[in-house]
Amino acid sequence: DAGVTQSPTHLIKTRGQQVTLRCSPKSGHDTVSWYQQALGQGPQFIFQYYEEEERQRGNFPDRFSGHQFPNYSSELNVNALLLGDSALYLCASSLENEQFFGPGTRLTVL
Amino acid sequence: QQPVQSPQAVILREGEDAVINCSSSKALYSVHWYRQKHGEAPVFLMILLKGGEQKGHEKISASFNEKKQQSSLYLTASQLSYSGTYFCGTETRWNAGNMLTFGGGTRLMVKP
Repeated sequence: DAGVTQSPTHLIKTRGQQVTLRCSPKSGHDTVSWYQQALGQGPQFIFQYYEEEERQRGNFPDRFSGHQFPNYSSELNVNALLLGDSALYLCASSLENEQFFGPGTRLTVL
Repeated sequence: QQPVQSPQAVILREGEDAVINCSSSKALYSVHWYRQKHGEAPVFLMILLKGGEQKGHEKISASFNEKKQQSSLYLTASQLSYSGTYFCGTETRWNAGNMLTFGGGTRLMVKP
């Protein structure tokens, strides 16, 4: 049983560009959450998708948007990249209470 | 507001015990514990739901005191593989759908 998968593993972009990150949840999981983890800090909740709708959102600007597909996979889009967006972006999937993280995408903005 | 974890860092010898604490200023519905090794994803350890239950997983257990809005993670007879950063993630309302607020982490190093 494959766990949560994310692509790409690493990404380098320049300020002002746009980026799309992808996530496939653990088999049977219908809820996908996205987190941003800066170096040396705990993950910060960005938003969560359930039944193709954004169910909850953390304190992130509208430059951060997402989508969930009928097969429960999800995308995170970030527009107008800033240097401060450099971080590890984690996707987590859950069915009920337990939440499992993917390996993350390391985004570097130059 | 994120929960506060203590200590921030701890160094142990193999076989020693450790306690990691997680305190919130808000009433908690659940506490989730994760361990993250350098360059890897956080790995789920356990979840404690409102009700003051205690859970165990081999030599790692945790308690949840909802009145004090605190949870503690107990590591007994530590092994080298326990090294990593431990995070608590909290939910402050029922049916929050795992919208977790994480603490700053506790860095644990186990030496031979």
